[in-house]
Amino acid sequence: DGGITQSPKYLFRKEGQNVTLSCEQNLNHDAMYWYRQDPGQGLRLIYYSQIVNDFQKGDIAEGYSVSREKKESFPLTVTSAQKNPTAFYLCASSPYRDTNYGYTFGSGTRLTVV
Amino acid sequence: LAKTTQPISMDSYEGQEVNITCSHNNIATNDYITWYQQFPSQGPRFIIQGYKTKVTNEVASLFIPADRKSSTLSLPRVSLSDTAVYYCLVAPMDSSYKLIFGSGTRLLVRP
Repeated sequence: DGGITQSPKYLFRKEGQNVTLSCEQNLNHDAMYWYRQDPGQGLRLIYYSQIVNDFQKGDIAEGYSVSREKKESFPLTVTSAQKNPTAFYLCASSPYRDTNYGYTFGSGTRLTVV
Repeated sequence: LAKTTQPISMDSYEGQEVNITCSHNNIATNDYITWYQQFPSQGPRFIIQGYKTKVTNEVASLFIPADRKSSTLSLPRVSLSDTAVYYCLVAPMDSSYKLIFGSGTRLLVRP
């Protein structure tokens, strides 16, 4: 079955550490996105990528970095510069210029700073 | 991108029809209206999308008046499993535009 796989489901980070969240899709979608969700809040866009080797900052990119070396993969690194990283992180993908069926989301990674 | 306004929360009972209205006064000519559903600790799921009049699928109906300044998501005969957060989004079909999710409407379905 086609879909988006995020791993790990739960992640614990110590203060000052960088961690990388994985996002893989086999939908052959061109565009991929990373969102952050805090308790009781909506989703906020961190980074997005429309094609391989290109990505754009979203509304809250500070303290995060991404890469898009392959069409199917869009990993997110939460760096030590992100002061409040504890949140639920969601990866999504969509066909470029054809969103008749909307974005497809992964099941999320819950990151906790300990 | 057009701003949307929807109720923060709604309560209903099993078997009832639920209508969630979203206001988008500054919707643009090329904007589409899309609704997503999100369960706790899961990613949002696409429910329905429309441009004007009425759209129906196996899950819900979407009613859009002629002026397109609002839209109503209708869930027929809700069950406990419909308890979720529902987001209304307005954006052009071109996915190069970033989707902006507000806080959504928290629907609680009671037995």
